[in-house]
Amino acid sequence: NAGVMQNPRHLVRRRGQEARLRCSPMKGHSHVYWYRQLPEEGLKFMVYLQKENIIDESGMPKERFSAEFPKEGPSILRIQQVVRGDSAAYFCASSRGIISYEQYFGPGTRLTVT
Amino acid sequence: ELKVEQNPLFLSMQEGKNYTIYCNYSTTSDRLYWYRQDPGKSLESLFVLLSNGAVKQEGRLMASLDTKARLSTLHITAAVHDLSATYFCAVDMSGDTGTASKLTFGTGTRLQVTL
Repeated sequence: NAGVMQNPRHLVRRRGQEARLRCSPMKGHSHVYWYRQLPEEGLKFMVYLQKENIIDESGMPKERFSAEFPKEGPSILRIQQVVRGDSAAYFCASSRGIISYEQYFGPGTRLTVT
Repeated sequence: ELKVEQNPLFLSMQEGKNYTIYCNYSTTSDRLYWYRQDPGKSLESLFVLLSNGAVKQEGRLMASLDTKARLSTLHITAAVHDLSATYFCAVDMSGDTGTASKLTFGTGTRLQVTL
């Protein structure tokens, strides 16, 4: 059973470009979470999604950031008009959502904005 | 707003020694997690503590949870170099809904075990 998959693993964007980060949850998992980790810091929650629904986006910046988890395909975190402060590691986690309490983390996407 | 604090932030210890990392959180929660992160890597789940008084052990690591004190500890016994990593605790505020919700992470404890 493959774990949580994220791609790309490394992404370099110039200021003003768009970044798209993808996350495929573990098989059988229907809940996806996105977290951001700035250098030398802990992870900060961004958004929690189920298929076709955003459940909690309280950690998402109000502008430039959006997330989706369509009926088919991976979850996508989209950052428009990136700035240097967006440089971070973005981790995706998934869970079954029901009964199981544990979140399983993907390898992360390291975004560098130049 | 839930706050999760760990101490120490950095810990340098010799092989063979024992030490404890502390994790305090500010509001009631019955679910606490410990993760390990190696540099440039993802998070590896170590322990899930689901109730007051829970104690779990794996190898040289033992975690406990006191929900009344809002405190969890990660105890390291006879440390070895391979334990060098950053350790995070995280709190889940979903209550008894049976579904996982967002995790609030502590600041992390960077552990360095020297020979």
